[in-house]
Amino acid sequence: LAKTTQPISMDSYEGQEVNITCSHNNIATNDYITWYQQFPSQGPRFIIQGYKTKVTNEVASLFIPADRKSSTLSLPRVSLSDTAVYYCRVPNAGNMLTFGGGTRLMVKP
Amino acid sequence: GAGVSQSPSNKVTEKGKDVELRCDPISGHTALYWYRQRLGQGLEFLIYFQGNSAPDKSGLPSDRFSAERTGESVSTLTIQRTQQEDSAVYLCASSFGTYGRSYEQYFGPGTRLTVT
Repeated sequence: LAKTTQPISMDSYEGQEVNITCSHNNIATNDYITWYQQFPSQGPRFIIQGYKTKVTNEVASLFIPADRKSSTLSLPRVSLSDTAVYYCRVPNAGNMLTFGGGTRLMVKP
Repeated sequence: GAGVSQSPSNKVTEKGKDVELRCDPISGHTALYWYRQRLGQGLEFLIYFQGNSAPDKSGLPSDRFSAERTGESVSTLTIQRTQQEDSAVYLCASSFGTYGRSYEQYFGPGTRLTVT
């Protein structure tokens, strides 16, 4: 099973760059890596998805090394509103689309 | 445009009663998922549907939980003889597809279930 492991929590300050790394040692050849953001009392929402190397959108960048056993979500210049839980997700055997425990990011003024 | 909707938004029920939670996915999305999220915890996968069939029911925590989907649209999650440990937010999501490409999941706002 392609389990994911990511830090439970992280603290940062406004204006800093935040990097959250997720390990997924058993990722399958066809699997994409997807990151979601969840605010309190809301469902998760899609941030970014990638297969290899680097993907960038208006919100974040995703870095995936050649072995694809990990990925790093990079949030540039975070603000207080980026305080949320960030989930790394990969599919696993049996089509059970697992979300890990997530990383609780706290951005401080 | 219409997103995923869930009803009710909140449900308080007495221990031992049955509850039904409803999910209306985005039109055209063939895949539908149910998750449970306890307070301060991550998402716990329950079941997913591809069309009207559920290839993977392994996440259902007990035989008190069941789900169905009709018309490749609305889905109902039923919890029989509710227990206090069933108290959680139940989230529904839908996507264009499932395995492989890892299609983006769109989540509903959830149903907060409280069993007293």
